[in-house]
Amino acid sequence: NAGVTQTPKFRVLKTGQSMTLLCAQDMNHEYMYWYRQDPGMGLRLIHYSVGEGTTAKGEVPDGYNVSRLKKQNFLLGLESAAPSQTSVYFCASTTPPRLAGGLNEQFFGPGTRLTVL
Amino acid sequence: AQSVTQPDIHITVSEGASLELRCNYSYGATPYLFWYVQSPGQGLQLLLKYFSGDTLVQGIKGFEAEFKRSQSSFNLRKPSVHWSDAAEYFCAVGAMGDGGATNKLIFGTGTLLAVQP
Repeated sequence: NAGVTQTPKFRVLKTGQSMTLLCAQDMNHEYMYWYRQDPGMGLRLIHYSVGEGTTAKGEVPDGYNVSRLKKQNFLLGLESAAPSQTSVYFCASTTPPRLAGGLNEQFFGPGTRLTVL
Repeated sequence: AQSVTQPDIHITVSEGASLELRCNYSYGATPYLFWYVQSPGQGLQLLLKYFSGDTLVQGIKGFEAEFKRSQSSFNLRKPSVHWSDAAEYFCAVGAMGDGGATNKLIFGTGTLLAVQP
């Protein structure tokens, strides 16, 4: 199993350009998440999905859109990139919480380093 | 609102020395707590988690953490640090505003560990 993979690994954009980050998981997980990681700020949730065809906003959703057309894929789009979106982006996936077992571990991809000039 | 605080931004220890990384949370009920490790250029990997029961939790790579309700803490410890432990460590708490249904996590800002030979 490859686990969680992210494409691309690195990307440089100019302000105003658009791009899509792809996250794929082969663990048949229902839930998927997109985070951004910035120095001194930890990981902040951008958007998440609890199933195919459903998405929801996280803590910092402005400037991003997402789609979950297939269970195994979660796409993060930047319609008009801004320098403030320079960051490392992580995707994660997991299974729904268990009634008696609490929250589950999230499995993370290796990240995409995005620079917006 | 729930939050996680990691007071130490950067810690340096000598190889073979003991380690304790601090984590404080805010939540009225029993929290779901996690410690993740991020090696340079990698995604996050789960070290251990706490939901209930024994307050001393054993994890991978020789790490353990102790849940102390009276101090709202979940500190990570290792008796003897190895050079390969140099990484960034994140404490996280389950976001329970929706009853945990979305399995969302709130991450601390991380502690960067350097290991001196």
